[in-house]
Amino acid sequence: KQEVTQIPAALSVPEGENLVLNCSFTDSAIYNLQWFRQDPGKGLTSLLLIQSSQREQTSGRLNASLDKSSGRSTLYIAASQPGDSATYLCAAPTQGGSEKLVFGKGTKLTVNP
Amino acid sequence: DVKVTQSSRYLVKRTGEKVFLECVQDMDHENMFWYRQDPGLGLRLIYFSYDVKMKEKGDIPEGYSVSREKKERFSLILESASTNQTSMYLCASSLSSGRSYNEQFFGPGTRLTVL
Repeated sequence: KQEVTQIPAALSVPEGENLVLNCSFTDSAIYNLQWFRQDPGKGLTSLLLIQSSQREQTSGRLNASLDKSSGRSTLYIAASQPGDSATYLCAAPTQGGSEKLVFGKGTKLTVNP
Repeated sequence: DVKVTQSSRYLVKRTGEKVFLECVQDMDHENMFWYRQDPGLGLRLIYFSYDVKMKEKGDIPEGYSVSREKKERFSLILESASTNQTSMYLCASSLSSGRSYNEQFFGPGTRLTVL
């Protein structure tokens, strides 16, 4: 059964710092992995979806990587800003390319001015 | 851009009431999902629909039912609301399976309080 873990649960950094958020998963036979952002009291916003063939995906200051062999994905945020403060969740398919996802519990990021 | 909308942002109901949560997506997605999100428990799948009138139970279907009469609309029904169903409810949609690019898109959420 797929399990997704995100450590740490919370992270506080000063503005301008580059940072890495971690996501690990137990079933590595997946076709893709998705990263989301959630602001307090709001829905999830899709940030990046990495296909296993890509291994890496970039959007602006965000870069996500996927290493199936180690069961890990990372989300790199460059030059962090206070507006990046939010909870970041990763999600992996229950198996293969399943439509159904298993979510981590998220990392709450605070970027201090 | 994909848009997923939910009928209410906040809802307050009484124990025993029948509650309808509505979700509409505008991108002709085959798949639609209902999740609930609770502190410390994360997101949990309640029901999943992969086509009109087709549904599949998720991890926590007890106390809930769903309806999908049209492709763009997916309804979550609480037959008799209870206080332990107080939660944030999130709807999502995605394109059909058979692709590795099944990105999920979420609505803004409905915060339901059952008194």
